[in-house]
Amino acid sequence: DAEITQSPRHKITETGRQVTLACHQTWNHNNMFWYRQDLGHGLRLIHYSYGVQDTNKGEVSDGYSVSRSNTEDLPLTLESAASSQTSVYFCASSVSAGGGTDTQYFGPGTRLTVL
Amino acid sequence: QKEVEQDPGPLSVPEGAIVSLNCTYSNSAFQYFMWYRQYSRKGPELLMYTYSSGNKEDGRFTAQVDKSSKYISLFIRDSQPSDSATYLCAMKSGGGADGLTFGKGTHLIIQP
Repeated sequence: DAEITQSPRHKITETGRQVTLACHQTWNHNNMFWYRQDLGHGLRLIHYSYGVQDTNKGEVSDGYSVSRSNTEDLPLTLESAASSQTSVYFCASSVSAGGGTDTQYFGPGTRLTVL
Repeated sequence: QKEVEQDPGPLSVPEGAIVSLNCTYSNSAFQYFMWYRQYSRKGPELLMYTYSSGNKEDGRFTAQVDKSSKYISLFIRDSQPSDSATYLCAMKSGGGADGLTFGKGTHLIIQP
């Protein structure tokens, strides 16, 4: 079955280190998204991509970067991890079906702790 | 003021009760409205998707959108313990593949 996976599921790192979170989907969806979820804030959009070589900033993009070299993967990189980036990170994907009916399917999440 | 307001709860109701979950929003450009369900330590899953104002029903779930009041609701009939989860409202303005704006989520507990 087609799916969306994230790795690692749990990660502990230190302040200042570079961290990359992986997202892989097998639906061949052109659209991919990264969100973070924090208590008191809900889910907030970090970056998104409409296809290979396309990336766009979301609401909370500072300190994060993404690159899209193929359809299946959108890795999220924290260039220099900060304690404020401790959060649960969700990747999502969708296919543009027209009429605004694209459904975003979410991965299981990565729980990141920055010490 | 956040664009989307949602009471975080927890909301605790007895099994079989009708549950009403709500969100208000401030951005009149929002046209597409969704409800996601999220179990503990899992990713959100889509429950309902509606466009503009009106009602949509799917089994025990009914979604309502009142754009004039900037108010959306999700009703769950004959609630079950398996409905215990966090319910997130989400919305977007464009018809394209835009990122979603979420409420904080309401934690729902159905007591057996």
